[in-house]
Amino acid sequence: AQSVTQLGSHVSVSEGALVLLRCNYSSSVPPYLFWYVQYPNQGLQLLLKYTSAATLVKGINGFEAEFKKSETSFHLTKPSAHMSDAAEYFCAVIRRNQFYFGTGTSLTVIP
Amino acid sequence: ETGVTQSPTHLIKTRGQQVTLRCSSQSGHNTVSWYQQALGQGPQFIFQYYREEENGRGNFPPRFSGLQFPNYSSELNVNALELDDSALYLCASSLGAEPHYNEQFFGPGTRLTVL
Repeated sequence: AQSVTQLGSHVSVSEGALVLLRCNYSSSVPPYLFWYVQYPNQGLQLLLKYTSAATLVKGINGFEAEFKKSETSFHLTKPSAHMSDAAEYFCAVIRRNQFYFGTGTSLTVIP
Repeated sequence: ETGVTQSPTHLIKTRGQQVTLRCSSQSGHNTVSWYQQALGQGPQFIFQYYREEENGRGNFPPRFSGLQFPNYSSELNVNALELDDSALYLCASSLGAEPHYNEQFFGPGTRLTVL
């Protein structure tokens, strides 16, 4: 059963524009949610994680995500995109003590 | 502090062959997890090793096997390779086995192509 769904496999934004990457989770999963970033030819790097302490989670590189139980969402945002943000982004959950990743969203930043 | 390293970077094999991929964990980490990332997909959990013992396995057949050594480095072995095994194989190390509390640090991966 799909645990997370990432809407939009490709997102393009202009430099300086708002970044919004969408992630919805299955309501049955425990509330441990993550966002990872993968730059070309590199492994995954943790951006942020939600562990039920606070609904608005701040991560590295200016990213943040808000846990919304009513919408079963955990969307990733950044107020102003930089060229260096171009990468693949993955939402993930932990279920049965293992990670389940979404299919990823490729972010392109247009100068 | 050395991060997670993987070898080789790229590998080409033919169907039916066997392959061994290697991972050196970050200093002080006793847990290694392996993932398969097919093109255009998210990583899929293969298995985890904690202090030299398998500690959880995803939905992969037995021809995917592994080892963890006393220095906590690890190997992933795949027998009887199939075309669908072509993927990026990622290893991640962490201070402990519990993923809720122990951040996983990923290596750059090994790109396996099966012809």
